[in-house]
Amino acid sequence: GVTQSPTHLIKTRGQQVTLRCSSQSGHNTVSWYQQALGQGPQFIFQYYRKEENGRGNFPPRFSGLQFPNDSSELNVNALELDDSALYLCASSSSPGTGADTQYFGPGTRLTVL
Amino acid sequence: KQEVTQIPAALSVPEGENLVLNCSFTDSAIYNLQWFRQDPGKGLTSLLLIQSSQREQTSGRLNASLDKSSGRSTLYIAASQPGDSATYLCAVTRGSTLGRLYFGRGTQLTVWP
Repeated sequence: GVTQSPTHLIKTRGQQVTLRCSSQSGHNTVSWYQQALGQGPQFIFQYYRKEENGRGNFPPRFSGLQFPNDSSELNVNALELDDSALYLCASSSSPGTGADTQYFGPGTRLTVL
Repeated sequence: KQEVTQIPAALSVPEGENLVLNCSFTDSAIYNLQWFRQDPGKGLTSLLLIQSSQREQTSGRLNASLDKSSGRSTLYIAASQPGDSATYLCAVTRGSTLGRLYFGRGTQLTVWP
């Protein structure tokens, strides 16, 4: 399945954070979502073949990487209080047929103080 | 812009009741619709995926219907059990941005014994 690390993280405003995601075996596409408390997940961006393949309404301080083994990182610079959320990654076997079910990891809970 | 709304926001029922959760979306040009389950502080589990050309999907006690022209989907849960307690989210993908999920805020379901 999809795994994410760390499980929980506490940072202070202005710091930088890196979240990690290992995709399901055979999947080459990773998407990242931010879920604030009481809200539905919001799309941050998607990576396919190590390139960003679509981005939601998030500022450039949210950036990502995809590695040759298709795992991925989400980096957030200059953390703000509103960045406190559950960060979810999802993997799928293709970037956009739409027919593929996306498989979600358990998430990383980020708290910014 | 695609907006997804879920009603009700919360639902509390006794065990054994049959339930209907509602989801509506503003842009009928969807590619598919998924229902997810989320347990507190956890990731998402896909329950049912309906292609835009389909009318419904069934899995066990769950049945999801889709009326694309009216922008509505319902998730029917038969003979509810306490283990069904969770937040249920619906999400759609659009033809123009396949692979990106647009989520509602979810319906928080509590089934008491």
